[in-house]
Order: sequence, then structure tokens, then C-alpha cells
Amino acid sequence: GAVVSQHPSRVICKSGTSVKIECRSLDFQATTMFWYRQFPKQSLMLMATSNEGSKATYEQGVEKDKFLINHASLTLSTLTVTSAHPEDSSFYICSASGGSNTEAFFGQGTRLTVV
Amino acid sequence: GQQLNQSPQSMFIQEGEDVSMNCTSSSIFNTWLWYKQDPGEGPVLLIALYKAGELTSNGRLTAQFGITRKDSFLNISASIPSDVGIYFCAGQKADKLIFGTGTRLQVFP
Repeated sequence: GAVVSQHPSRVICKSGTSVKIECRSLDFQATTMFWYRQFPKQSLMLMATSNEGSKATYEQGVEKDKFLINHASLTLSTLTVTSAHPEDSSFYICSASGGSNTEAFFGQGTRLTVV
Repeated sequence: GQQLNQSPQSMFIQEGEDVSMNCTSSSIFNTWLWYKQDPGEGPVLLIALYKAGELTSNGRLTAQFGITRKDSFLNISASIPSDVGIYFCAGQKADKLIFGTGTRLQVFP
């Protein structure tokens, strides 16, 4: 399958600071990228969908000013958690689809801990 | 957000046993997908189903897309210790995936 790489895999930040997470498609052009959040022992919840070159579409209840998504190229999307709070601590996972891939492939996830 | 109902929530089985789990929805989906997630990792696609009634195998895994397009099941035959993990179903509408609540599988030697 196609390879999607997420960086960093783990990050610890202080409350009030911002954190940027990168999602890269390594061997295909990702026209669409998705960002999910997963709390412990729970399922993946879609936060937003981003198409290359356009604004992201956020799911209901997700603050777009807090979770900034940029999809400036066909191989890179970034999620910035602004003014992070402890309740933002979670596992953030991206997925990407595009090219000949009708299915979405997932990154390895980023464990964010806000202290 | 919407989630699909998955059962059972968890399973504890002995190595060599067969496993069955299912996923139901109140909505119709055009595609059903089954993923496995290991701790601290992203989900990995196991099987994709595209047509109602479709039965697809991938090694020891078999999955079916329900006729009503509102359900799917996944079977694992002759389980082995590396089958341990969380299994998620996902229904696809347009380009969005809606995930199930997950089935946690534990395999004892």
C-alpha cells in the first residue's frame, strides 16, 4: 500500500503553546487529506478534511481557529494545535488519498501531551 | 459525530480459535472497510468491500458487505498471537470514513 508519514510521533508541550504536526504522502500525490483525533480506548473521530490548495472543511464541533490545517502541496498537510490545553492531549492521526489510491492510507499517528 | 456500532467490544480467545465480529449502521454505505490498529500506531487497512453481498478474503481474514448495505462482518480463522489489536470497521460516504466503536482482540497462547 501507499506510504503516509506523520511527524513527530510524540510531542509534549506546555499549556498555551502551539504545536505543528506534519503529514506527508511519500509515494503518491494526496489530493485529499483527513485529520482524526482518537482519545484513549475510543474510536477515530474525523476532525477535518482538506483538499490541496483549498480551505479545510471542519466537522461539527471542531474549532477551526484552534486546529489550523494547511494543505499547501500534494504531498504535505499540517495540523497546528494553537494555544494548547491539557484537554487537547490525544492521539492525532492523518490519512491521505489520491492518485490511483481510492482508499485512504493512514499515518502512524502523533501522541500529543499538553502539560 | 456519528459512529458505527461494532460488536463485541472485546474478545479474549485462545490461539487457533476462529473469531467473528460485526458492524452495523442505521445508514447505508457504498463501501465498507476493515482496519487493524496496534497500540500507538495508525490503522492499517485489512479488507475493502465495494458491493452489497460481496465476500472477500485476505489470507485468514474474510469479510462480507451486507445485502442491506448497513452491516458487515469480519472473520479471522485460526488466530495467532500477532492478531492481537483493535479492529475497526469503517463505512465510506463520498470521501469520508465513519469508524466503528472497535473490537479489542486478545489472543492467548
